[in-house]
Amino acid sequence: DVKVTQSSRYLVKRTGEKVFLECVQDMDHENMFWYRQDPGLGLRLIYFSYDVKMKEKGDIPEGYSVSREKKERFSLILESASTNQTSMYLCASTGWRWDEQFFGPGTRLTVL
Amino acid sequence: AQSVAQPEDQVNVAEGNPLTVKCTYSVSGNPYLFWYVQYPNRGLQFLLKYITGDNLVKGSYGFEAEFNKSQTSFHLKKPSALVSDSALYFCAVRMNTGFQKLVFGTGTRLLVSP
Repeated sequence: DVKVTQSSRYLVKRTGEKVFLECVQDMDHENMFWYRQDPGLGLRLIYFSYDVKMKEKGDIPEGYSVSREKKERFSLILESASTNQTSMYLCASTGWRWDEQFFGPGTRLTVL
Repeated sequence: AQSVAQPEDQVNVAEGNPLTVKCTYSVSGNPYLFWYVQYPNRGLQFLLKYITGDNLVKGSYGFEAEFNKSQTSFHLKKPSALVSDSALYFCAVRMNTGFQKLVFGTGTRLLVSP
């Protein structure tokens, strides 16, 4: 069974903290994505990566950075967390055909 | 630019009745279209996709969707709703050439009453 896992289901951090969200996929997929989900806004793409060490900005990259040192792992970094980054964060991956994306269970981040 | 509209925030239907969740899209070129479902506190699960071929696409859990190019729509349907179908449904679109990001609608909450 294919799987995308995320390091935490729930996370509470304080304003100004550096936050790491980890995502791992076991499908040998080339492409990985980070989204945030907010009520009424759907899913918005933060960053994506189409290969190791490659990254591209999505629609809302401000305040975020990413790292992809290994094919199976894609990390989202909040350099200095702010309250407006309180959200559900979803990781996804897809293969070379850019077909359907497989999603992790999500990390609900609260920044106090 | 690509866009997706899900005009209904919520759809209410009684168990056993047919359901429809609407989706319209805008894309220059031929689209790839997807439906995903999200249960509470979970990630998105893939339901079905339209890439090419038959306009009626069948997917998981008895769901189907019809691609209508003239109306630029891709409505999700099920002949007989179950209470367990209650969830948040997302439509998504991208172009079928090269890399194009997947653009999601804002989601429609389906509530199936017993």
